[in-house]
Amino acid sequence: SYVLTQPPSVSVAPGRTASFTCEGDNIGSKSVHWYQQKPGQAPILVISYNSGRPSGIPERFSGSSSGNTATLTISRVEAGDEADYYCQVWDYINDHYVFGSGTKVTVL
Amino acid sequence: QITLKESGPTLVKPTQTLTLTCTFSGFSFSTSGVGVGWIRQPPGKALEWLGLIFWDGDQRSSPSLKTRLTITKDTSKNQVVLTLTNISRVDTATYYCAHRRESGFDSWGQGTLVAVSS
Repeated sequence: SYVLTQPPSVSVAPGRTASFTCEGDNIGSKSVHWYQQKPGQAPILVISYNSGRPSGIPERFSGSSSGNTATLTISRVEAGDEADYYCQVWDYINDHYVFGSGTKVTVL
Repeated sequence: QITLKESGPTLVKPTQTLTLTCTFSGFSFSTSGVGVGWIRQPPGKALEWLGLIFWDGDQRSSPSLKTRLTITKDTSKNQVVLTLTNISRVDTATYYCAHRRESGFDSWGQGTLVAVSS
C-alpha cells in the first residue's frame, strides 16, 4: 500500500516562510493535493494538482512536486495559517486515495 | 454553492452496523466525473480516506475496510449512504463526507462524531 510521510511539526515566525514535505515513492508522477485543517473544523483544499490554488486561496500558498517529494510552501506566514496540513494522492495501482500523516504548523 | 451535511448516530455499540447519510446540494450525480467521498479522523489523529462513489455508481474503498464498507447513492434525494459493519472502538472518529473532483475534495461537510462504546 502506498505511504505518504510528512514531518510531524514545523514552527515558523510570523512573516517568514514555512516549507514542509510529503514524501512518497515517485510522488512526482502523481497529482498531489494539500488540505489545511484548523482545530475543530473540516479540512479545506489549499493546493490541487501539485501547485494549483483553488479560488479564494491566497497566493502565499504554493506547491511543487518532483521525484519522491512534494512540498507545500507558505510565504509571509500569518497567525491564521496555524493548522494541520495533509497531502493526498490517488494510488493508481491500488485504486484508492491516500492521505499523508499530517504536519502541524505552529506560528511562533 | 456546494454544501454537504453528515447525519447519523452519535453512539454505536461494538459489533453493530454504522449507517451515516450525507445530504448534499449544489451539485448533482447526473454530472459526469462527480464523486462523493467519506473520510474519517479519530480524535487527535490524521485523516483517513474510507471510500468514494462516482456519478455512475462505481465505488472505491480503502483496502483496510473493503470487507466492511459499503457506499450507496440516492440520486433523487441527493444523498450518499455509508454503511460500516462490525463496528469496534477503533472506529470512533469524526466522519466527513466531501465533494470530489479530479482536482481534489473541494467541499466538505462539517463532520459528525461517532463514538463506539458498550
